[in-house]
Amino acid sequence: AQSVSQHNHHVILSEAASLELGCNYSYGGTVNLFWYVQYPGQHLQLLLKYFSGDPLVKGIKGFEAEFIKSKFSFNLRKPSVQWSDTAEYFCAVNAGGSSNTGKLIFGQGTTLQVKP
Amino acid sequence: DSGVTQTPKHLITATGQRVTLRCSPRSEDLSVYWYQQSLDQGLQFLIHYYNGEERAKGNILERFSAQQFPDLHSELNLSSLELGDSALYFCASSANPGPLNTGELFFGEGSRLTVL
Repeated sequence: AQSVSQHNHHVILSEAASLELGCNYSYGGTVNLFWYVQYPGQHLQLLLKYFSGDPLVKGIKGFEAEFIKSKFSFNLRKPSVQWSDTAEYFCAVNAGGSSNTGKLIFGQGTTLQVKP
Repeated sequence: DSGVTQTPKHLITATGQRVTLRCSPRSEDLSVYWYQQSLDQGLQFLIHYYNGEERAKGNILERFSAQQFPDLHSELNLSSLELGDSALYFCASSANPGPLNTGELFFGEGSRLTVL
């Protein structure tokens, strides 16, 4: 069964600090990988996704993630965070290719608090 | 705005009661997914409907049921409610599942259920 593990549950950073949130998944086949963000009181929004090609994926708001197949990882990065990045971040995976049912499996989420 | 509409936004009810949550997917999407978000369980997949038919079940209790109607809106029915059912229930939609679908889900704003 697929599973997703996010190592950092709660991260506190000052503005302009660099961010890296860890995500590892467990699945033996082809995968599609996602990072979603949930701002306080809002719905989940897609930050970025990987399904093939360049393993370094750029998303919205200056975020990027790198898919490292050998490590089953898809870490999220941002060189310089802003106060407005305060939110909860979710890593998610689904099976790729012909095994894709569309169902996303989410990690437990990481709460990011950015201090002004 | 994701294009996915959920009602009601907030619902307070008592133990033992039954509630119905409603979701309207984006106009072009045939798939509807229901997720439960709670503090201790994170985002848990409940059920997936595609064009009116159930496609996958996750951690959905027997007290819960869902359906998708011909106009593609979906309802999640929660009965014999318990305190532990208090959570945020998200609906999401996506295009056709299959090899060409990367699985991006578009989420509604959620229905917050409080069981007293």
